[in-house]
Amino acid sequence: DTGVSQNPRHKITKRGQNVTFRCDPISEHNRLYWYRQTLGQGPEFLTYFQNEAQLEKSRLLSDRFSAERPKGSFSTLEIQRTEQGDSAMYLCASSFPSGGAAYNEQFFGPGTRLTVL
Amino acid sequence: ELKVEQNPLFLSMQEGKNYTIYCNYSTTSDRLYWYRQDPGKSLESLFVLLSNGAVKQEGRLMASLDTKARLSTLHITAAVHDLSATYFCAVDDTGNQFYFGTGTSLTVIP
Repeated sequence: DTGVSQNPRHKITKRGQNVTFRCDPISEHNRLYWYRQTLGQGPEFLTYFQNEAQLEKSRLLSDRFSAERPKGSFSTLEIQRTEQGDSAMYLCASSFPSGGAAYNEQFFGPGTRLTVL
Repeated sequence: ELKVEQNPLFLSMQEGKNYTIYCNYSTTSDRLYWYRQDPGKSLESLFVLLSNGAVKQEGRLMASLDTKARLSTLHITAAVHDLSATYFCAVDDTGNQFYFGTGTSLTVIP
């Protein structure tokens, strides 16, 4: 399977605990994105990387959130001191922009569903 | 901040009928994407629209883009049960991040 993969698929944690999610993008894609999706809503942008550089972060990404892409391949998203409001589906997407970034179709992984008790 | 609005939010239609989902956005972007999401699943790319007047068709779905009106439509022809899902449009104004609409939950009734 050469699509975007995410692990774990489900995570249940207690409030105050730290959690870390992993995303493996499509191998030739240089851009990697993190989104958060709550029930009944569209995905909301969190952050994105071009290769290993984190180029943009949303205001939704509080100090408790950190993302890395150390070698420009897989990425991790860590949430520290989780709160119940962090419960959501965390989606990862990757792309390889072409045509001067005019074509930037993003391919999404299956997501990690986080439940904070 | 870029706003993307979809309507209707919920759509229940009978098999064999036609309907259109609308996506309005607040910027002058000419890059718009449509995705499908089944319950509990991730997003599947349906269409990529990159210029004013672009029209793409796949099976019973057809998407179009009018950048001057800042409007995209997703037209469903002769709906079948397998089309039941949530449909999202997403606008890409800077080539960096997508702004998603709130989605249209489609239920096709036999």
